[in-house]
Amino acid sequence: ETGVTQSPTHLIKTRGQQVTLRCSSQSGHNTVSWYQQALGQGPQFIFQYYREEENGRGNFPPRFSGLQFPNYSSELNVNALELDDSALYLCASKLTSGGHNEQFFGPGTRLTVL
Amino acid sequence: SQQGEEDPQALSIQEGENATMNCSYKTSINNLQWYRQNSGRGLVHLILIRSNEREKHSGRLRVTLDTSKKSSSLLITASRAADTASYFCATVPANAGGTSYGKLTFGQGTILTVHP
Repeated sequence: ETGVTQSPTHLIKTRGQQVTLRCSSQSGHNTVSWYQQALGQGPQFIFQYYREEENGRGNFPPRFSGLQFPNYSSELNVNALELDDSALYLCASKLTSGGHNEQFFGPGTRLTVL
Repeated sequence: SQQGEEDPQALSIQEGENATMNCSYKTSINNLQWYRQNSGRGLVHLILIRSNEREKHSGRLRVTLDTSKKSSSLLITASRAADTASYFCATVPANAGGTSYGKLTFGQGTILTVHP
């Protein structure tokens, strides 16, 4: 148990719909990152939020967006869902205080797009 | 895009044997980390090795790093059935600083199966 929780556990959507995934960071962590992991692949970095602002972004289109709230929980929103968006979505939180700090991953949300 | 490539893609061994997984990467790194993932769930951080380190140990884990060859290896000694999982290497780029440390680039992973 890392203290990072994600909801829902599983989700089924149809192409063109919108989805919101949620992440609750470990207590005291101020940075959250989101990753997409397709079946049989390693996770790919989507973006990172630090103190409620997007702080870096991977190679994902603008229909992937996010929010970080004052309590450091976070949302990942995906608009106009495509079949290729089917994946495990992982969030990870850390405390950024200078130097490297370990990231703690949540259990993930499995999204299926039909 | 994936930074690292793990080798082998799959490894099957008997309990008690050692398991060695390799990772190669393309760009200069600040550090390299190894993670474990059970059954497509969350990732568990195993060990971190910095670019100025050559070897690191943690329990039954031994990690080596060769920055000249841009490669790392993870050795699990005296493996157990509970070690069955996917193992990923992930890198943080050399120009990372502060919050950039969160931007991990993962390889494709090695699936390890340990038979009782």
